[in-house]
Amino acid sequence: EPEVTQTPSHQVTQMGQEVILRCVPISNHLYFYWYRQILGQKVEFLVSFYNNEISEKSEIFDDQFSVERPDGSNFTLKIRSTKLEDSAMYFCASTRGGAFNQPQHFGDGTRLSIL
Amino acid sequence: ELKVEQNPLFLSMQEGKNYTIYCNYSTTSDRLYWYRQDPGKSLESLFVLLSNGAVKQEGRLMASLDTKARLSTLHITAAVHDLSATYFCAVGKSGGGADGLTFGKGTHLIIQP
Repeated sequence: EPEVTQTPSHQVTQMGQEVILRCVPISNHLYFYWYRQILGQKVEFLVSFYNNEISEKSEIFDDQFSVERPDGSNFTLKIRSTKLEDSAMYFCASTRGGAFNQPQHFGDGTRLSIL
Repeated sequence: ELKVEQNPLFLSMQEGKNYTIYCNYSTTSDRLYWYRQDPGKSLESLFVLLSNGAVKQEGRLMASLDTKARLSTLHITAAVHDLSATYFCAVGKSGGGADGLTFGKGTHLIIQP
């Protein structure tokens, strides 16, 4: 079964540094998402992306965040100047869209640790 | 603002027992999802519920949706240890198409042999 793949699985970064998290959505999916989950807490929506542009973003997704689909397969989340509170598990998800009976399929996540 | 509340947040039960997890949401929605998460793992889709009165079953799990009450339930029948996990409900805004989902805090379920 096709999967959403994310790299790296774990990223350790110094505070203030830039970090890029990478995702390869399922190939025939059209809608892409980033969520984050701080340890032990609920999953929080960051941003959705469709047709090469952001379609929705949450309050968390401020100016230090950006997303890009640089080619036909990758979908990236960039955090420009990381803060301690950015430490979390970041999940990428995708869905084919159209019919609402399609769930969002999640990758295994990238654990981001800011020191 | 869409809010999603789950209860209980923590549940310890014995194998063979039945129990129900509840998910309430605050505004009209046209889609509700249940996900399972094992420790340190990703979220696995369990059920998609789209209409009032929808009921879906898979093995020992059954999910239902009451859009008028803005309530979904996840019922566990004759629990087995393998069902130990955290269960999240997630809700999409009405008319939101493929927009982002709002998750509940999750129910951490432990099933003891």
